[in-house]
Amino acid sequence: QQPVQSPQAVILREGEDAVINCSSSKALYSVHWYRQKHGEAPVFLMILLKGGEQKGHEKISASFNEKKQQSSLYLTASQLSYSGTYFCGTVRLFSGGYNKLIFGAGTRLAVHP
Amino acid sequence: DTEVTQTPKHLVMGMTNKKSLKCEQHMGHRAMYWYKQKAKKPPELMFVYSYEKLSINESVPSRFSPECPNSSLLNLHLHALQPEDSALYLCASSQEGGMTGMNTEAFFGQGTRLTVV
Repeated sequence: QQPVQSPQAVILREGEDAVINCSSSKALYSVHWYRQKHGEAPVFLMILLKGGEQKGHEKISASFNEKKQQSSLYLTASQLSYSGTYFCGTVRLFSGGYNKLIFGAGTRLAVHP
Repeated sequence: DTEVTQTPKHLVMGMTNKKSLKCEQHMGHRAMYWYKQKAKKPPELMFVYSYEKLSINESVPSRFSPECPNSSLLNLHLHALQPEDSALYLCASSQEGGMTGMNTEAFFGQGTRLTVV
């Protein structure tokens, strides 16, 4: 089941901050965040795991509330290069040991000078 | 080398054609994925290979046929496609599948932009 992202779109001026939210109705093991620029491949930003562990880029911060099954991505002091579509991906483990990374609908972020 | 390479970058095919998309990675990753992405939509999971075995088929029509010849290569064979199959096809890989794989990042290729005419 696809995670729900909000907002759908954000417009910022350089230097402004934004928060992108992701929630799921299913129990999660981890949440992934990716950014995709137009015409390019999705690029990994961060993984948040149950128990509080995080892996990702130093300049990106995010949170994961396991009980609420929600994650938020914090973009501070935005730069022009932050523009793109941000996807959260939720991972669930299925019987047989297989996992699926399913993406939310995306949040389109535009940063202007 | 942290790249996933996909070929071709663009493909136009007729509805009666047979073509193949190729994906290659040399990172020693044991899980590989095919995603389909329509414009302004998220990547949609199609297939997952874990240790060269098909783990997940997301009810994809049989006109799409995946193949994993070895741990570095992943193919997607196309036959008798429909115009609605036109999309960006993304290949991705991650270090592991299964339980371990859930805490590792996925590396995506640049995709093959497929147009079915």
